[in-house]
Amino acid sequence: NAGVMQNPRHLVRRRGQEARLRCSPMKGHSHVYWYRQLPEEGLKFMVYLQKENIIDESGMPKERFSAEFPKEGPSILRIQQVVRGDSAAYFCASSPLDEQYFGPGTRLTVT
Amino acid sequence: AQSVTQLGSHVSVSEGALVLLRCNYSSSVPPYLFWYVQYPNQGLQLLLKYTSAATLVKGINGFEAEFKKSETSFHLTKPSAHMSDAAEYFCAVRSGNQFYFGTGTSLTVIP
Repeated sequence: NAGVMQNPRHLVRRRGQEARLRCSPMKGHSHVYWYRQLPEEGLKFMVYLQKENIIDESGMPKERFSAEFPKEGPSILRIQQVVRGDSAAYFCASSPLDEQYFGPGTRLTVT
Repeated sequence: AQSVTQLGSHVSVSEGALVLLRCNYSSSVPPYLFWYVQYPNQGLQLLLKYTSAATLVKGINGFEAEFKKSETSFHLTKPSAHMSDAAEYFCAVRSGNQFYFGTGTSLTVIP
């Protein structure tokens, strides 16, 4: 049973470009969470999705960030018009409900 | 509201010494509690979880944690530190479908 997959592992974008981060949950998991981790900080919750539904996006910045988890395919975290402050590690976790399984993360660098 | 507090953002121990990482939680309902470990440039791995069964929970790599309701604590311990234990450790509490993480404790093991 493959673990949670995230790609790309590393992503470099120039200011103003778009970043698309993908997360494929473990087989059978219908819940996906996205977190952001900045250096010397803990995990900050961003959004919680189930298939085709956003359940809780209280941690998402109001502008430029969006997330989806379509019926088919991976969950996508999209950041439009990236700025230097978006540089961070972004982790997704999938869950069958009682615990979370984390992917290896995508490290976004904005130049 | 649920929250997790990890006392001590940095802990150093000598190889072979006791490891004690502190976690206190607040929860209005019986909690589900977790400890995760993160090695550099990797995602989080589940060390152990408490789900209202035995109060002393054994995890991987020789770690264990004790749930103490009266102290609202879930401290992580290991009798003898190994160099490979050097990592970031996160305590988390689940409430419904939401997971709340502490800010992490960085463990350094001194040879």
